Amino acid sequence: DAKTTQPPSMDCAEGRAANLPCNHSTISGNEYVYWYRQIHSQGPQYIIHGLKNNETNEMASLIITEDRKSSTLILPHATLRDTAVYYCIVRVGGGNAGNMLTFGGGTRLMVKP
Amino acid sequence: GAVVSQHPSWVICKSGTSVKIECRSLDFQATTMFWYRQFPKQSLMLMATSNEGSKATYEQGVEKDKFLINHASLTLSTLTVTSAHPEDSSFYICSAPNPAGGGGEQFFGPGTRLTVL
Repeated sequence: DAKTTQPPSMDCAEGRAANLPCNHSTISGNEYVYWYRQIHSQGPQYIIHGLKNNETNEMASLIITEDRKSSTLILPHATLRDTAVYYCIVRVGGGNAGNMLTFGGGTRLMVKP
Repeated sequence: GAVVSQHPSWVICKSGTSVKIECRSLDFQATTMFWYRQFPKQSLMLMATSNEGSKATYEQGVEKDKFLINHASLTLSTLTVTSAHPEDSSFYICSAPNPAGGGGEQFFGPGTRLTVL
């Protein structure tokens, strides 16, 4: 799976949009971009994923650049409960075989009042 | 939505004892589950893949005789840390693939914090 690079930490004001970048310059054509987050002392939580089109769900939006070498996770109105470590993971999608996820260092997002 | 549970949520044991951690998929079946370990201020590290009806697959550097994995049914996988030592103290997390998802979506358990004295 392709390696990802994320800033180790970011701050965001409550109520503002949080934009979390991820670089994955070696991504292959069949690899998806997945985002998870881990609130302190809990298991990770799936947020969103995409292949090449931008995606949006009730939690966040995912913007993937046209060359797919980077992406941005957007939390449109960050709340204090969004304080967590956010992981960007690139892996081959589809099927059940090899569903393992490889976690990098992630970005520690601190939402401040 | 689908939920993965773990039991116990935390455990403290003496050095040399064995500890069993259960991972259950509550409203879906999982032929495969994954076990991760997370040390303080570090990321999750995959330990092994648990396969229902067959042997687990361990990642390089993980001792299979120390971390026994049994996938007894389609909803239960157990991790037994045998002869635990203080260096085994960690946060152990399991996950199972979302059966309705496209491969990379995983449901994670809440984690089990193991402290070995």
